[in-house]
Amino acid sequence: DAGVIQSPRHEVTEMGQEVTLRCKPISGHDYLFWYRQTMMRGLELLIYFNNNVPIDDSGMPEDRFSAKMPNASFSTLKIQPSEPRDSAVYFCASSLIVAGVETQYFGPGTRLLVL
Amino acid sequence: ELKVEQNPLFLSMQEGKNYTIYCNYSTTSDRLYWYRQDPGKSLESLFVLLSNGAVKQEGRLMASLDTKARLSTLHITAAVHDLSATYFCAVDTSGSRLTFGEGTQLTVNP
Repeated sequence: DAGVIQSPRHEVTEMGQEVTLRCKPISGHDYLFWYRQTMMRGLELLIYFNNNVPIDDSGMPEDRFSAKMPNASFSTLKIQPSEPRDSAVYFCASSLIVAGVETQYFGPGTRLLVL
Repeated sequence: ELKVEQNPLFLSMQEGKNYTIYCNYSTTSDRLYWYRQDPGKSLESLFVLLSNGAVKQEGRLMASLDTKARLSTLHITAAVHDLSATYFCAVDTSGSRLTFGEGTQLTVNP
């Protein structure tokens, strides 16, 4: 299995531009998570989906952030307009609950720099 | 609001020594996870602890969970350089929602 796939791996953009991050979860996993990691705030859960349906988006920082999961194999996290304080590493993770045990598998992350 | 606190945040140790990383959390939970992150890399799952008294071991790492004390430990035995990384604990509070600790940056010196 290829694991969780994220693209792009690096993104540099200017303030005000739209940024779209992409994620392909592990096949068969029915949970998908978006996290953000910064030095100041650590690792934060932004939103997660179960069977393509958003379950908890309370971690989404503001209306500039939106996430979609149109099908079981693809999700996007969009920032519009982007701001310098959005600079961070964004991780996508997926999981499957088996016999009550769940482990989240993380993708390689997207390093975002907003100038 | 759930708080997950790790101690210490930075740990420098010599090869061959033993040490313990602590993870305290502020609300009831019987599921706790340990992850490892190498610099510039993603997070790798190490252990899943599902009940009070659970103990898991893999190589030189051993994790335990005391749900009554709301405490998990990650014990390192006879450290080697390859263990240098940042270690995170994460607590499952509701459904699949994980709250992560700040991370413990471990450096093992020859």
